[in-house]
Amino acid sequence: QKEVEQNSGPLSVPEGAIASLNCTYSDRGSQSFFWYRQYSGKSPELIMSIYSNGDKEDGRFTAQLNKASQYVSLLIRDSQPSDSATYLCAVRNTGFQKLVFGTGTRLLVSP
Amino acid sequence: DGGITQSPKYLFRKEGQNVTLSCEQNLNHDAMYWYRQDPGQGLRLIYYSQIVNDFQKGDIAEGYSVSREKKESFPLTVTSAQKNPTAFYLCASIQPGPSYEQYFGPGTRLTVT
Repeated sequence: QKEVEQNSGPLSVPEGAIASLNCTYSDRGSQSFFWYRQYSGKSPELIMSIYSNGDKEDGRFTAQLNKASQYVSLLIRDSQPSDSATYLCAVRNTGFQKLVFGTGTRLLVSP
Repeated sequence: DGGITQSPKYLFRKEGQNVTLSCEQNLNHDAMYWYRQDPGQGLRLIYYSQIVNDFQKGDIAEGYSVSREKKESFPLTVTSAQKNPTAFYLCASIQPGPSYEQYFGPGTRLTVT
């Protein structure tokens, strides 16, 4: 079992729809969870971080964390073609300043 | 402007040559990291450093070396012992405090032929 798992996609949604990206992790003691957006040929950009169970909203983005189910998700409302990118889930494992990354989900938003 | 800089953006080398990738940050971050990304694969940790003059191997350190003589700088050397050096190399640093948010530099794309 991988430490952080994501569906590779691509996830295709029409412009204006809600895109839902999911991530599961294996270390039950994980403390911090992050979503990065990576455009082709560019470096990852941090878009959301979440530490407590529940929802955290920032503009069109909502991160959801369920530690009991070891599940974190990212919702993108009113998806735009400019949101088309690969989204990386990252988890900070117990006891250390090291992030473990999933392999990413590719999102395609069609006009 | 505060941030992480990596140079050069593109680098071409012949097989058998060592090459050093630069990473500089002016964010006053203590911890710095080097990752490698290959097409269709996730980020793999090469080396990391939590403080000056100290660093640890990551998951794929073989064929690489680093130094951390200054807080701002964490150069990575790709040696001739690295079997498949062609990749996208990313440097990152972590903001101190409870959030531990990690930020990346723009990356260096290394091609070895």
